[in-house]
Amino acid sequence: AQKITQTQPGMFVQEKEAVTLDCTYDTSDPSYGLFWYKQPSSGEMIFLIYQGSYDQQNATEGRYSLNFQKARKSANLVISASQLGDSAMYFCAMRAPPGNQFYFGTGTSLTVIP
Amino acid sequence: SAVISQKPSRDICQRGTSLTIQCQVDSQVTMMFWYRQQPGQSLTLIATANQGSEATYESGFVIDKFPISRPNLTFSTLTVSNMSPEDSSIYLCSVRGQGIVDEQYFGPGTRLTVT
Repeated sequence: AQKITQTQPGMFVQEKEAVTLDCTYDTSDPSYGLFWYKQPSSGEMIFLIYQGSYDQQNATEGRYSLNFQKARKSANLVISASQLGDSAMYFCAMRAPPGNQFYFGTGTSLTVIP
Repeated sequence: SAVISQKPSRDICQRGTSLTIQCQVDSQVTMMFWYRQQPGQSLTLIATANQGSEATYESGFVIDKFPISRPNLTFSTLTVSNMSPEDSSIYLCSVRGQGIVDEQYFGPGTRLTVT
């Protein structure tokens, strides 16, 4: 069965510092995709970054990078130079067969402190 | 990327009533997805709506409670029927991207409170 685990219900980070949000996954399928989404208090889901299971390099998108450790089945999100606007819920998700359905973790609430 | 709009953005409803949520996409898509996010929880897939066929419901969700319409390739509705306070959630419409990454795009959500 597919499973996504986020063990950090809440995290705090000082403005301008870097923070790592943890995500582990479980799938027996060799082909899958890993995603991170940000959900501000407004409720919308904002796509941040993607890592494919066959990608050799860690994905990066601006201040976001994904620390992909395939053997450990982890896909941690690193946010560099945190900003106050980064305060939100962050969800890790996996797309995997069958049906390529998306499976979401329980989320991590990030608070950036001025 | 896809631009998705939802109506209403929020509503407060009385128990026993029904609410229909509309989802409009700015491009034609084969599949549209409806998710529920209960307070403080993650997203749970309710059903997948394909144009021209019956929606496919996930375990724990039934058509009588969450009827879905998909009249064309850019529009879908989700009805929450005979509501109870446990139905208070954010309901999100979603479509899949068409590119290599194939990410999910989400609408802004409908925040429903049932009293």
